[in-house]
Amino acid sequence: QQPVQSPQAVILREGEDAVINCSSSKALYSVHWYRQKHGEAPVFLMILLKGGEQKGHDKISASFNEKKQQSSLYLTASQLSYSGTYFCINRGSGAGSYQLTFGKGTKLSVIP
Amino acid sequence: EAGVVQSPRYKIIEKKQPVAFWCNPISGHNTLYWYLQNLGQGPELLIRYENEEAVDDSQLPKDRFSAERLKGVDSTLKIQPAELGDSAVYLCASSLGQGVTDTQYFGPGTRLTVL
Repeated sequence: QQPVQSPQAVILREGEDAVINCSSSKALYSVHWYRQKHGEAPVFLMILLKGGEQKGHDKISASFNEKKQQSSLYLTASQLSYSGTYFCINRGSGAGSYQLTFGKGTKLSVIP
Repeated sequence: EAGVVQSPRYKIIEKKQPVAFWCNPISGHNTLYWYLQNLGQGPELLIRYENEEAVDDSQLPKDRFSAERLKGVDSTLKIQPAELGDSAVYLCASSLGQGVTDTQYFGPGTRLTVL
């Protein structure tokens, strides 16, 4: 099942914050976050593991709520370079746990 | 260290023609993935290899798509014959294949246009 991301798109001014959510209908073991700039390949940002701590990457951090089967990506003091489409990938914890399913993505545009 | 290499980067063909895409993964990566990405959508897995073995090809349209990974390194994805709806970006990714913490590294993709 495809994870559901929200919002679908967001426009920020430089320096503003944003939150991108990713939810799943199945039990999760891990959530992976990628960013894809226009015309480029997706680039790995971070993995959130079940039972693991909140991760951080520069001013981008993420959390994973196992009970709610949700992950959130936090972008703080956004920079122009943060523009792109953010995808989450769910990895399940049961049969078929290797299933790799991308969400539809959240398009983030940071403007001056 | 070199990343995932794909070629060609762009391909324009007429419908019913065959087309092939090539991928060279990161050295030492046992797992290789082919994805299809339509405009405005997330990548969709077509096939996953562990070494030479295709361990998940459930989403590969086998009537026209085929893939191979000889010697467990390079891989080729073929479409024959191509249809208009095959226009998309075809992404290749590779990883070490180490469980749920496994990280995929993507190539730049091949943008296919079928006329």
